[in-house]
Amino acid sequence: DTEVTQTPKHLVMGMTNKKSLKCEQHMGHRAMYWYKQKAKKPPELMFVYSYEKLSINESVPSRFSPECPNSSLLNLHLHALQPEDSALYLCASSQSGTYYEQYFGPGTRLTVT
Amino acid sequence: GENVEQHPSTLSVQEGDSAVIKCTYSDSASNYFPWYKQELGKRPQLIIDIRSNVGEKKDQRIAVTLNKTAKHFSLHITETQPEDSAVYFCAASIGGDDKIIFGKGTRLHILP
Repeated sequence: DTEVTQTPKHLVMGMTNKKSLKCEQHMGHRAMYWYKQKAKKPPELMFVYSYEKLSINESVPSRFSPECPNSSLLNLHLHALQPEDSALYLCASSQSGTYYEQYFGPGTRLTVT
Repeated sequence: GENVEQHPSTLSVQEGDSAVIKCTYSDSASNYFPWYKQELGKRPQLIIDIRSNVGEKKDQRIAVTLNKTAKHFSLHITETQPEDSAVYFCAASIGGDDKIIFGKGTRLHILP
């Protein structure tokens, strides 16, 4: 199985809501990533987990809270978001380290109203 | 900070002709250079990658070249087809960090 799955595909939330995005992979990859992608822009790295530990936080606002419950799962908890946070949120995974291909999930299209 | 420059931002070529996209990087410790293709509304997908121990890699109609001295690498697509129309992103690993940095992307249009 060479697929990364993400749920939900689409999410609309108000600025006072709390929601979570989920990502799953069963390739035995030890690194997992969250990216944010705005229209016509490249993916922008948010967080990196390596061996289930947070290794990189790209100065992301605290209204985004990542969680890695086990080596196959990655969550992104959302709270008190702003309209400018509307974007495509992509999860990716790879074998440990940057010397290996990152496999991307299909993304969650988030709209904050 | 480290960055990756990508040119051109838009490229139109006649079907059957070749397309070339160029990138430069700043981190001399970068050692992995992937290229991703992203169709509208879809996920980025790796089309080819190259590691710093080789200068060129080819996979059917797609090739990538790497010049570590000049810190630049290029994507070459030959015999372009309509399905090659997409946005292409180059990327480079950041030495010492568990991440890659993307270029700003090239929108490739294949003209009939």
